[in-house]
Amino acid sequence: QQQVKQSPQSLIVQKGGISIINCAYENTAFDYFPWYQQFPGKGPALLIAIRPDVSEKKEGRFTISFNKSAKQFSLHIMDSQPGDSATYFCAASISGGSYIPTFGRGTSLIVHP
Amino acid sequence: NAGVTQTPKFRVLKTGQSMTLLCAQDMNHEYMYWYRQDPGMGLRLIHYSVGEGTTAKGEVPDGYNVSRLKKQNFLLGLESAAPSQTSVYFCASSNHPSGRRADTQYFGPGTRLTVL
Repeated sequence: QQQVKQSPQSLIVQKGGISIINCAYENTAFDYFPWYQQFPGKGPALLIAIRPDVSEKKEGRFTISFNKSAKQFSLHIMDSQPGDSATYFCAASISGGSYIPTFGRGTSLIVHP
Repeated sequence: NAGVTQTPKFRVLKTGQSMTLLCAQDMNHEYMYWYRQDPGMGLRLIHYSVGEGTTAKGEVPDGYNVSRLKKQNFLLGLESAAPSQTSVYFCASSNHPSGRRADTQYFGPGTRLTVL
């Protein structure tokens, strides 16, 4: 059973546009929601993360929006650039409990110049 | 700090051969993980360890064994490789400053394994 559902599987955006990737979770005990960015041939790396005590977190052009009641969170990339082309994974975990994060299946983002 | 390193970067095996993938981290992290990444399947957890001398099964453990004899190293073994084990393997480690929680995962660069 997939506990974190990520969509879309792939996304093509023009340079300067907004990229939006969505994730939905089922386990209400999750309390840490990171996004990882993976470039071809590299390992994933933390991009930005949020905890459920806030509804939004922004770091530069990257924003996480969190909707606790809907059990959804999303990554927004403003002014998307070709250098943002990568695979993005959302994840969810329970602090102080399981040591295992649950990952979404990933979104392949291509930003055309 | 090198972070998380993996050896080797690439490997081609024949069906039935065995091999060991080595993961090393220099961040003094308690928790270490082995994932495999396949197209459209995301990251699937094979085995993990919450401390030196401990290991546990993840989502897809069959055909793999692991050992954590030293805190900084986590070994993934394939005793009899099968074509279904062709994949990219990632090691990760994590810790929390308080030592009580494991949040952000730090990934290695991956090992691309092909089993013919």
